[in-house]
Amino acid sequence: VQLVESGGGVVQPGRSLRLSCVASGFTFSGSTLHWVRQAPGKGLEWVALISHDGKTEYYAESVRGRFTISRDNSKNTVYLQMNSLRPDDTAVYYCAGEVNWAWFDHWGQGTLVTVSS
Amino acid sequence: EIVMTQSPATLSVSPGERATLSCRATQSVATNLAWYQQRPGQAPRLLIYSTSTRATGVPARFSGSGSGTEFTLTISSLQSEDFAVYYCHQYNTWHTFGGGTKVEIK
Repeated sequence: VQLVESGGGVVQPGRSLRLSCVASGFTFSGSTLHWVRQAPGKGLEWVALISHDGKTEYYAESVRGRFTISRDNSKNTVYLQMNSLRPDDTAVYYCAGEVNWAWFDHWGQGTLVTVSS
Repeated sequence: EIVMTQSPATLSVSPGERATLSCRATQSVATNLAWYQQRPGQAPRLLIYSTSTRATGVPARFSGSGSGTEFTLTISSLQSEDFAVYYCHQYNTWHTFGGGTKVEIK
């Protein structure tokens, strides 16, 4: 099982960034996918989820209206479009997968997003 | 939103000793609770789900208990590789994580 995130980097406040996560080794099209972030030296914060068929999305209050999660089951890839970025969005962003609409079985290694002028 | 509170923030334990970590929810999450271990520079790793079921490959020294709003993760005899940060995670109503407990060497 492997989840590989990409797309992180340094971005100015107010700008946009799109993260990607490519999965292998498990049934991607049957899995709910999540993004979870971790600010430097801080704990885990759940960000967003998308159901296996893409029909259900849900967001943490802190990102609702600014971030959009999507997926392409033909490419085994989940995305996180992040708009109107703020300095407090600075974090390592992990994608995670699960099949039970419950706990997170699989995690990627994360990609660092730094929002700074 | 369900808020998860972990205590203590830091736990100092000697190798071979028992560690008991607590997690409290602001409202009932039934038994819909998981625990993760995170070592420095690594991604979280699933340890326990459904309050007390060990994930594949997790040693038997890890055990979970509780229900409703009070939960406990117990490590019966700490090994060197167990010194890490532990997070609880409720998935009863969407998802929230606790703030973490760092288990450090005494």
